[in-house]
Amino acid sequence: EPEVTQTPSHQVTQMGQEVILRCVPISNHLYFYWYRQILGQKVEFLVSFYNNEISEKSEIFDDQFSVERPDGSNFTLKIRSTKLEDSAMYFCASSEAPPGRGHAGANVLTFGAGSRLTVL
Amino acid sequence: QQPVQSPQAVILREGEDAVINCSSSKALYSVHWYRQKHGEAPIFLMILLKGGEQKGHDKISASFNEKKQQSSLYLTASQLSYSGTYFCGTEIGTSGTYKYIFGTGTRLKVLA
Repeated sequence: EPEVTQTPSHQVTQMGQEVILRCVPISNHLYFYWYRQILGQKVEFLVSFYNNEISEKSEIFDDQFSVERPDGSNFTLKIRSTKLEDSAMYFCASSEAPPGRGHAGANVLTFGAGSRLTVL
Repeated sequence: QQPVQSPQAVILREGEDAVINCSSSKALYSVHWYRQKHGEAPIFLMILLKGGEQKGHDKISASFNEKKQQSSLYLTASQLSYSGTYFCGTEIGTSGTYKYIFGTGTRLKVLA
């Protein structure tokens, strides 16, 4: 079963430091996503990415955040100058097709196991 | 904007049934259901694409009422393995661009 791989599984950082979370999406998937989940709370959309550019982003995804596909396989989320409230589980996901009508289920998201970020 | 789920939490005994509802203030084009075990990633359960569609596998099924902008997930004869947090997911957007968002979540605990 193809899977989405995320590293690191857990990162502890000091407030103000930069963090890069890495993801390897499923190889034939073209659409990539980052979600955030603060402990025990809802899964929040951060950003979607296609064709080397951001498709959609939420109000959470401010200038502190950036995403990149530096090569053919990795998809990264960078958080500059981390804050205490950035502590959360970050999930990467990928899909064959984009969200939106008419893709008949090809837009089902496959999630990675998550990267837990703890900001001290 | 985020779909609202009810109940927020439910505790069941093994073998009991449960219904989880997902309501949206905006039109739902499709509804996906996911289950998340503690500390793990959400796992896809099923997708409903058309209003009125009902789907199921094993003892978990779902319905989609496009007109009412609602979906319900039915868990029948619950098993211990059903414990987790259930999220509905839906696509929202305009002008050809969409994003995929999740509902508020329902915590389900099944006791022996």
